Amino acid sequence: EAGVTQFPSHSVIEKGQTVTLRCDPISGHDNLYWYRRVMGKEIKFLLHFVKESKQDESGMPNNRFLAERTGGTYSTLKVQPAELEDSGVYFCASSPFSGTGLYEQYFGPGTRLTVT
Amino acid sequence: DAKTTQPNSMESNEEEPVHLPCNHSTISGTDYIHWYRQLPSQGPEYVIHGLTSNVNNRMASLAIAEDRKSSTLILHRATLRDAAVYYCILRGEYGNKLVFGAGTILRVKS
Repeated sequence: EAGVTQFPSHSVIEKGQTVTLRCDPISGHDNLYWYRRVMGKEIKFLLHFVKESKQDESGMPNNRFLAERTGGTYSTLKVQPAELEDSGVYFCASSPFSGTGLYEQYFGPGTRLTVT
Repeated sequence: DAKTTQPNSMESNEEEPVHLPCNHSTISGTDYIHWYRQLPSQGPEYVIHGLTSNVNNRMASLAIAEDRKSSTLILHRATLRDAAVYYCILRGEYGNKLVFGAGTILRVKS
């Protein structure tokens, strides 16, 4: 069974440009999460999808970030326009169930975003 | 989400057991104790979780104090591949997001 995949693995863009990160969850997992770690900080939650619906987007830093999950399969996270402080590693995770603290989340390898 | 406290770093010798402590004095009755780890250049990886009783799986054991205010992740025989940051996380009964702290950096010496 394929794990969570993320693309690209690394992206370098200039300040003001747009970048789109993609996450493919494990097949059949309705729950998809985005997290990020910016330089020197802890991993922080961004948002949670259940199928195509945003269940919790309390961690999204500002309106320059837009997450979508059309059709309830893969998800994209767009940053527009990118700022220097957006540099970091963006992780995606998926899980088969929500609404319970019982189940683990499966993480992808992350996308390293560098804004210059 | 309730907060956890872990040592910043620990060191172990290869092939020896490792006990990673976690304090969670404000844990509620329905909080599950989860452990994840992050190996270098990888995403976090689930290790184990428990509620009240001690738990064992192929990766590790989780020992939970009787009052649930602390727990210990036990790696029975540390290998070089176990060198990682270990996170102790509390998840509510209906919790979804993971709240990561700084974790414990485990170094394993050969």
